[in-house]
Amino acid sequence: DADVTQTPRNRITKTGKRIMLECSQTKGHDRMYWYRQDPGLGLRLIYYSFDVKDINKGEISDGYSVSRQAQAKFSLSLESAIPNQTALYFCATSDGILNEQFFGPGTRLTVL
Amino acid sequence: AQKITQTQPGMFVQEKEAVTLDCTYDTSDPSYGLFWYKQPSSGEMIFLIYQGSYDQQNATEGRYSLNFQKARKSANLVISASQLGDSAMYFCAMRITTSGTYKYIFGTGTRLKVLA
Repeated sequence: DADVTQTPRNRITKTGKRIMLECSQTKGHDRMYWYRQDPGLGLRLIYYSFDVKDINKGEISDGYSVSRQAQAKFSLSLESAIPNQTALYFCATSDGILNEQFFGPGTRLTVL
Repeated sequence: AQKITQTQPGMFVQEKEAVTLDCTYDTSDPSYGLFWYKQPSSGEMIFLIYQGSYDQQNATEGRYSLNFQKARKSANLVISASQLGDSAMYFCAMRITTSGTYKYIFGTGTRLKVLA
């Protein structure tokens, strides 16, 4: 079973709709992250959380919100989706000891 | 400014040959970490190798090695004996400390194609 899971894997929605992307992890890591990937731009950090009570904005947080429901769950919401939010979204986790981030499989979101 | 630069949008290499993917970074933090990730066409991100800013020796993981030149602020990935399965997008990333917390910054990636 995958250590970091994301649901849904693919989503097509319309402008103005509210969308929630969910991330769950079984690695026991405190730190969780949301990134978006656009062609030619690499990965950019949207939000990150170092524990359940800690939420921090990343580089491109406008238009997004997050919720850390539990250590294992970190959700990303688009309150009113717009077409330029069409992208591949990744959730990732890390702990404070090991240095790598572990990524989920990604969610491909298309906003029409 | 904290930044990662990958200047090679795409590269080709012949199977079984070595290839170097370039990465330069910019940070004023004395303590930072440098990473390489592989993204195959299936989309997942796969961790390859890590180098800490205070590490004296270059990191190696199997066929992957990181050529760390601190004075030049470069962290190039070397893949030895390329295989067809190495064809993928490769991202260089940096972990920095900002206001006491960690952040990760990614480069724009290099697409590697291994030729048979």
